[in-house]
Amino acid sequence: GQNIDQPTEMTATEGAIVQINCTYQTSGFNGLFWYQQHAGEAPTFLSYNVLDGLEEKGRFSSFLSRSKGYSYLLLKELQMKDSASYLCVHSGAGSYQLTFGKGTKLSVIP
Amino acid sequence: DAGVTQSPTHLIKTRGQQVTLRCSPKSGHDTVSWYQQALGQGPQFIFQYYEEEERQRGNFPDRFSGHQFPNYSSELNVNALLLGDSALYLCASSFGLDEQFFGPGTRLTVL
Repeated sequence: GQNIDQPTEMTATEGAIVQINCTYQTSGFNGLFWYQQHAGEAPTFLSYNVLDGLEEKGRFSSFLSRSKGYSYLLLKELQMKDSASYLCVHSGAGSYQLTFGKGTKLSVIP
Repeated sequence: DAGVTQSPTHLIKTRGQQVTLRCSPKSGHDTVSWYQQALGQGPQFIFQYYEEEERQRGNFPDRFSGHQFPNYSSELNVNALLLGDSALYLCASSFGLDEQFFGPGTRLTVL
């Protein structure tokens, strides 16, 4: 099955920029999602990349390189409310299944 | 416009019992997916329902079954509960293959 790798934990300072990396197996790729999940809450959609390149949406941007099986989520002007788990999610070609990584727990400190 | 709703919020069962969890999708959505999320892990795909049929299934035993009704709502049934079934069960709805919207989840504890 699909193996998604992302760091377990990261810490960053309020107002700073943080990049959360994700790698996945390139075979059978359709698209890559990023979801945010606050503790005790449901995941919420952040971004979806199908083609190579950078997608920008306000303070959040997501990058995809299909040939390298690599994506990152970039968070700018960090706020305390950005403290959450960030889930890298693979969508496979010809499949309705989404495969989630274990998530990166981001802690934003003053 | 109500988002995805799930019931109940919390549930406590004992080993060997059976449980039914319910999900109402976001208005306009026709596809429902179920996930199991253990503490500290990402959600794991159980199955997806579309047009009242199980369209795809993840790596879960037959003890996990489901149903989708004509109004697109869905149920997840788990038989012969094991301690390891304790988790947050998430329902997500979508229109076709568009982004999935998640409900708040049902926290199941098996004693």
